[in-house]
Amino acid sequence: DQQVKQNSPSLSVQEGRISILNCDYTNSMFDYFLWYKKYPAEGPTFLISISSIKDKNEDGRFTVFLNKSAKHLSLHIVPSQPGDSAVYFCAASAGSGAGSYQLTFGKGTKLSVIP
Amino acid sequence: GAVVSQHPSWVICKSGTSVKIECRSLDFQATTMFWYRQFPKQSLMLMATSNEGSKATYEQGVEKDKFLINHASLTLSTLTVTSAHPEDSSFYICSATGLGEATYEQYFGPGTRLTVT
Repeated sequence: DQQVKQNSPSLSVQEGRISILNCDYTNSMFDYFLWYKKYPAEGPTFLISISSIKDKNEDGRFTVFLNKSAKHLSLHIVPSQPGDSAVYFCAASAGSGAGSYQLTFGKGTKLSVIP
Repeated sequence: GAVVSQHPSWVICKSGTSVKIECRSLDFQATTMFWYRQFPKQSLMLMATSNEGSKATYEQGVEKDKFLINHASLTLSTLTVTSAHPEDSSFYICSATGLGEATYEQYFGPGTRLTVT
C-alpha cells in the first residue's frame, strides 16, 4: 500500500510557464512534507518543506501548498526554467520521537522544461 | 549546506562477493543515517535507519544479515552487501540528519551504483 502517491510519472512544461507537481497521501499521521529534486545517478536535493500546521510555504520560485482535508499537496514552480528539469519526489514524515524522522517517498514525477 | 558523500560512486562485483559502501557527513555530525535503495523508475525505498553507536533498525523485508550496517561514528556509516547476487544490483543512497539541524530534512549522498555480475 503506497502511502505517498505521485500519480503523474512525467510532466512537460514550456519555459517561463508554471509547473505544478501533485502529491497525495493516505496516512493521516503524516505531519511534515518535503519535496526533493533528483538528477539521474545523483542523490536527492532538498527543495522545500511544509508543516501540517501551514497550508502554504514559499521560497523563491517554489511554493508548496497543503490541503489537509484532501490529503493533497502540490509544488508550484514559476517561472519554470530548463534547469528545473529533473525528477521531483514528494516525501512525508509522521515523526518518530525526538531526533530524526523517517521519510516515505512517492515514486517521483519527471519534469521536463522545454526551452 | 550540509554535505554527505558516498564511496564508491559505482562498483561492479562478482556474484558471491561482498561490497562495502561508505557514507560520510562532511561538515556536520550525523546522529542518524538512513540507507535507501532505488530501482529504475521506482521510488526510494528505505532499507534501514542507523543511529550512531547502536544497532540499525531494518525495514520489513530487508535481510539484516545480508545488508550489514555499521554507524560507529558521528560522521561515518557503512553498508556492506554480503554474498551479493545479481538481484542486489541497484542504486544505493544514504542520507543523514544531525543534531541542531532541521531534522525533518535529510541530506542525501550522491548514491552508489552497484552491479553484480
